[in-house]
Amino acid sequence: DSGVTQTPKHLITATGQRVTLRCSPRSGDLSVYWYQQSLDQGLQFLIQYYNGEERAKGNILERFSAQQFPDLHSELNLSSLELGDSALYFCASSKDSHLNYGYTFGSGTRLTVV
Amino acid sequence: GQQLNQSPQSMFIQEGEDVSMNCTSSSIFNTWLWYKQDPGEGPVLLIALYKAGELTSNGRLTAQFGITRKDSFLNISASIPSDVGIYFCAGLASNTGKLIFGQGTTLQVKP
Repeated sequence: DSGVTQTPKHLITATGQRVTLRCSPRSGDLSVYWYQQSLDQGLQFLIQYYNGEERAKGNILERFSAQQFPDLHSELNLSSLELGDSALYFCASSKDSHLNYGYTFGSGTRLTVV
Repeated sequence: GQQLNQSPQSMFIQEGEDVSMNCTSSSIFNTWLWYKQDPGEGPVLLIALYKAGELTSNGRLTAQFGITRKDSFLNISASIPSDVGIYFCAGLASNTGKLIFGQGTTLQVKP
């Protein structure tokens, strides 16, 4: 157990729908990162939050949004889902925003859009 | 944009053999990380490198941060079946502060 908790583990939904993925970082970690992993794209950085504020943005679509709450858990919202959004979505956390200690990844949420 | 070229893409080796994989980039990185991902799990950090030229070991794993800061390699000695998985390099870009991942090297070990 890495200490980073992601729910749900699996999600199957239809095109056009909206889903919310949840992440609880390791105790003491202030930064949360979201990554998308699809078969042909590897791990793609989506967005980072640090202590409730957006810190960095990667290749995140406008249909996707995220937030980090005061208790430091984070949610990734995916809307108007398309077949191509099917992927593994990972959350990672770290103590600070400067990668001094590396990232710790959760086990991921496997999203299947049908 | 910045990207890492990780090679080889996949390897199929005999148990007991040594393995070597590397990542290169045209960009400079401040930190190199090596992760392993088992099926159905998230990547797990194996080794972190913070200084150019740094050589770090973790058991049978050895990784080096290239002198030019544009490359890194990972060696696994005397491979065993549980080494099977996908190995990712990741670099922290000095100009953007973002962590960029390589495409991964899939390792299969034949007992």
